[in-house]
Amino acid sequence: GAVVSQHPSRVICKSGTSVKIECRSLDFQATTMFWYRQFPKKSLMLMATSNEGSKATYEQGVEKDKFLINHASLTLSTLTVTSAHPEDSSFYICSATRGIEAFFGQGTRLTVV
Amino acid sequence: GENVEQHPSTLSVQEGDSAVIKCTYSDSASNYFPWYKQELGKRPQLIIDIRSNVGEKKDQRIAVTLNKTAKHFSLHITETQPEDSAVYFCAASKGTSGTYKYIFGTGTRLKVLA
Repeated sequence: GAVVSQHPSRVICKSGTSVKIECRSLDFQATTMFWYRQFPKKSLMLMATSNEGSKATYEQGVEKDKFLINHASLTLSTLTVTSAHPEDSSFYICSATRGIEAFFGQGTRLTVV
Repeated sequence: GENVEQHPSTLSVQEGDSAVIKCTYSDSASNYFPWYKQELGKRPQLIIDIRSNVGEKKDQRIAVTLNKTAKHFSLHITETQPEDSAVYFCAASKGTSGTYKYIFGTGTRLKVLA
């Protein structure tokens, strides 16, 4: 199947700093990628749709200035958590769709201390 | 807004028994319904899917049924094994090729007891 790679897999940062997470589609081009957040023992909550060459579309309740998304090429989308706080600690997963099927990155566990 | 409800949230079965997980979706435009298995700290893995023009699909021990009128779909696992223990998510999606947006259910933690 198609491969989506996410980096880093784990990151620990201090409160107030920013963290960038990368999502790459390795063997196909993705005009659209999706970013999810997952709390422990909870479902994947869609945060935003990343659109290549244009602005991301954010779901209701997600702060666009807090979670900056850039989709500068057909194989790369980045999520930057700005001015991180402990409540931003979570598991973040990206996905890219080829045809109808979604392929997920391996996820990034963010811990803000 | 779009919503997918999933039940039960936890399910324990004896090895060899069947497990059934049910989902209901709100957006009648949804036309693709995948099921994912997720192990702790790992990415979701697709186990089976069904499109809106089909009522049932089976793949070995796993089957999915879809009732478009009622807007619900179910996952059936037969002859369960301990390695089936994981969290299972349903999803409802719609879109065009390459842009399908997925809304996930709340998840079901399945435990298969040996």
